[in-house]
Amino acid sequence: GQQLNQSPQSMFIQEGEDVSMNCTSSSIFNTWLWYKQDPGEGPVLLIALYKAGELTSNGRLTAQFGITRKDSFLNISASIPSDVGIYFCAGQLSSGGSNYKLTFGKGTLLTVNP
Amino acid sequence: NAGVMQNPRHLVRRRGQEARLRCSPMKGHSHVYWYRQLPEEGLKFMVYLQKENIIDESGMPKERFSAEFPKEGPSILRIQQVVRGDSAAYFCASSISQGKETQYFGPGTRLLVL
Repeated sequence: GQQLNQSPQSMFIQEGEDVSMNCTSSSIFNTWLWYKQDPGEGPVLLIALYKAGELTSNGRLTAQFGITRKDSFLNISASIPSDVGIYFCAGQLSSGGSNYKLTFGKGTLLTVNP
Repeated sequence: NAGVMQNPRHLVRRRGQEARLRCSPMKGHSHVYWYRQLPEEGLKFMVYLQKENIIDESGMPKERFSAEFPKEGPSILRIQQVVRGDSAAYFCASSISQGKETQYFGPGTRLLVL
């Protein structure tokens, strides 16, 4: 089955620092998604990428869809305490019979020290 | 505009009991997905339902697990004769249609089997 390798597993940074995390896949996806999960809550969509090479921003967040369609990264600039949480990448096929299935990475736990 | 609702938020069961997890999708959404998250893991797809139909249950264990999405009322994920390994967070997501449409997640039900 498809697997997503997400790294790093965890990060501990100072407020104001920039953060970068990435996901690689053993197979091609047509859509890459980045979610954030706060403790005790469900994942919330941050950024969706639909095209290889696409670079998309959402405030202080920037994500890119790799050219090979097998990887994606998420950058957070000037981190603040409320950025704390678990960040998940997810891949989705946009065609074929199972295009509704999201395949998730294991997550990156981000801790921001004020 | 209420989001995806799940209840209960926390559920404790003893081994051998039944667990019923409920999910009310966002208004206007007729596509429901269930995912399971084991501790320190990403979410894993279980089942995809449309009103009164199971479209794909390939991610759901063949025994003890069942899901339904009746014409009226919430979607139900039912786990019979629970075992300790069923302890996990179960998330429901809904979308307005299939495929590329964004899946919005509920807050999850945390199941603990004693």
